[in-house]
Parts: sequence; C-alpha cells; structure tokens
Amino acid sequence: AQKITQTQPGMFVQEKEAVTLDCTYDTSDQSYGLFWYKQPSSGEMIFLIYQGSYDEQNATEGRYSLNFQKARKSANLVISASQLGDSAMYFCAMREGGNNDMRFGAGTRLTVKP
Amino acid sequence: DAGVIQSPRHEVTEMGQEVTLRCKPISGHDYLFWYRQTMMRGLELLIYFNNNVPIDDSGMPEDRFSAKMPNASFSTLKIQPSEPRDSAVYFCASTGRGLGYTFGSGTRLTVV
Repeated sequence: AQKITQTQPGMFVQEKEAVTLDCTYDTSDQSYGLFWYKQPSSGEMIFLIYQGSYDEQNATEGRYSLNFQKARKSANLVISASQLGDSAMYFCAMREGGNNDMRFGAGTRLTVKP
Repeated sequence: DAGVIQSPRHEVTEMGQEVTLRCKPISGHDYLFWYRQTMMRGLELLIYFNNNVPIDDSGMPEDRFSAKMPNASFSTLKIQPSEPRDSAVYFCASTGRGLGYTFGSGTRLTVV
C-alpha cells in the first residue's frame, strides 16, 4: 500500500511567490519522521527539512517550512519567496517507528517562472 | 567529509553482462541503503544494511540482484545477468544516529 502520497505531479509558481507542495502519509505508528528532499536536474538528492511526529512546532529551515497537520496526516512543504533555482523535483518521505528505512512519494516537479 | 561516493557515475552495458555498482558511505555511518529510481516506479528501496549486515532485502527485484557490504566503508550492488529493464539511476545513501540520509550522486545504468 502506498504510504506517501504526493498528488501534484507538477506545479508552477511565479518567482518571489510562495508555493505549497502537498504530502499525505499513512502510518499506524505513533513515532515517525517526515522528510522533504529536493532533486534538481543534475540528479542529486538534497535533504531539505525534517519533522518528527512528536514535534509540536512546525519545522522551518530558511525559506522552507513544513506545515504539519498530524490529525490529517499531512506534511506539506511551503517554499517562500521562490527562486529560479528552486525548480526541481521534490520528494516527501517517511521513516516509521523503529525502522530505519525511508519510503518516498512519487514526487512533485516544481517550475519557477521568471 | 567527502560525502557518499558512488562509482561509476554512468554505466552502459549490454544485456546479459554483469554489472557492479559501488558505494562508499560516510565514515561513522552505520546504515547503508540502496535505492533505484525510474520514471515508472519512482524511488524504490532495494536493500539496507546496519553495521554491514543486511536487514531488509525485500525490495530486491529478483535473484539477479545481489548486494554485499564486506566492511563499514564499502558496499556493492551486483546485477547478473543485466536486462534492459534494469536501466535506472541507482542511489546509495547512508545515515548514522542522525535523522536524514545523505545520498550519493547516483549511478545511471543503461542496459542495451
């Protein structure tokens, strides 16, 4: 069963505007971690932000923030003040409980327009 | 810190040939993961190791695939015999007691 769902195959945003990339997840564990990675056209996977299931505050890292809604099982990534260099694939991922393997969603391709 | 190092970056091989992909994790990381990325299936976890021991290989597609980690600084993923449907980008990643994984640059495999 799909554990991580990213429903937006592609998104467009105007430069300098904010954009939200959606991610929902499915788990019965109480303890889990949620991650976002960026994959530019060069192919590398770049870690952006992490949210623990017990964290009460939404995670923030610079222009990235994670809108964590535990009851809805969603972990949306918000990118503020988009830049042309933000154009890339974005992957949501989850690591459950005591497991150390991480499962990824299908990704969202973000294009920032000048 | 040199990061996770994968080799080769690109591999083109003929169907039926043996292919070996290599990975050097970050020193001190005790978990190592092999992922495969394709357009159709996205990022799939193939296998992961903890302290050089395979923990979960349920993602390995079939017996043609095998992975080893003879020591803490080296792992291989072998495909024998290779088939065109194995064409993909193969990523190695490692992590320690921290939260996120560090990925290598990937190996783009093309089987013709």
